[in-house]
Amino acid sequence: DIQMTQSPSTLSASVGDRVTITCRASQSISSWLAWYQQKPGKAPKLLIYKASSLESGVPSRFSGSGSGTEFTLTISSLQPDDFATYYCQQYNSYWFTFGPGTKVDIK
Amino acid sequence: QVQLVQSGAEVKKPGASVKVSCKASGYTFTSYDINWVRQATGQGLEWMGWMNPNSGNTGYAQKFQGRVTMTRNTSISTAYMELSSLRSEDTAVYYCARISSSSSDYWGQGTLVTVSS
Repeated sequence: DIQMTQSPSTLSASVGDRVTITCRASQSISSWLAWYQQKPGKAPKLLIYKASSLESGVPSRFSGSGSGTEFTLTISSLQPDDFATYYCQQYNSYWFTFGPGTKVDIK
Repeated sequence: QVQLVQSGAEVKKPGASVKVSCKASGYTFTSYDINWVRQATGQGLEWMGWMNPNSGNTGYAQKFQGRVTMTRNTSISTAYMELSSLRSEDTAVYYCARISSSSSDYWGQGTLVTVSS
């Protein structure tokens, strides 16, 4: 099974900060990686698919990069609505795995 | 607009089974696979398995093999996830989600399943 790790597990930041979250896979997944945002009591929301493709309707301050085993999600200028938990998710041969999540909270 | 509407909250006793439904609308149900994901309170997302509504083919995470069954009724555009031999650790919110480009682009609202004696 492919294992996913994320760092950091918690991130304290201020509005306007540039924020980067890293996701690592235990083996190469090419570009089959997605990023989700989740707020308390809500379903996850897709932000990025295929490592770097921005989902329709998602603000352009979100971007994704990487391939193989290392990936990043960047928020170029953190907004009040962005305080949430972020998950990466890999896809490999019809098996999916989520990372443990990164909580972004207010500094 | 695409919507996935799940059935309501359930309370079950240990050892029982639960069946959660997920009704799709706003798109052709048989054209997109469905994922099932669960989340215990305060915990992360856990993938349970997927189903192809057209063929009925399924794939289950190893952890749930033998306990989970995913089915569908194409005439009413509804997917189902049944989990058996419930234990307290199965208490969680269960989500269905549409799969597109190897990710889940639309999600149901979630169904809370509580397992308690």
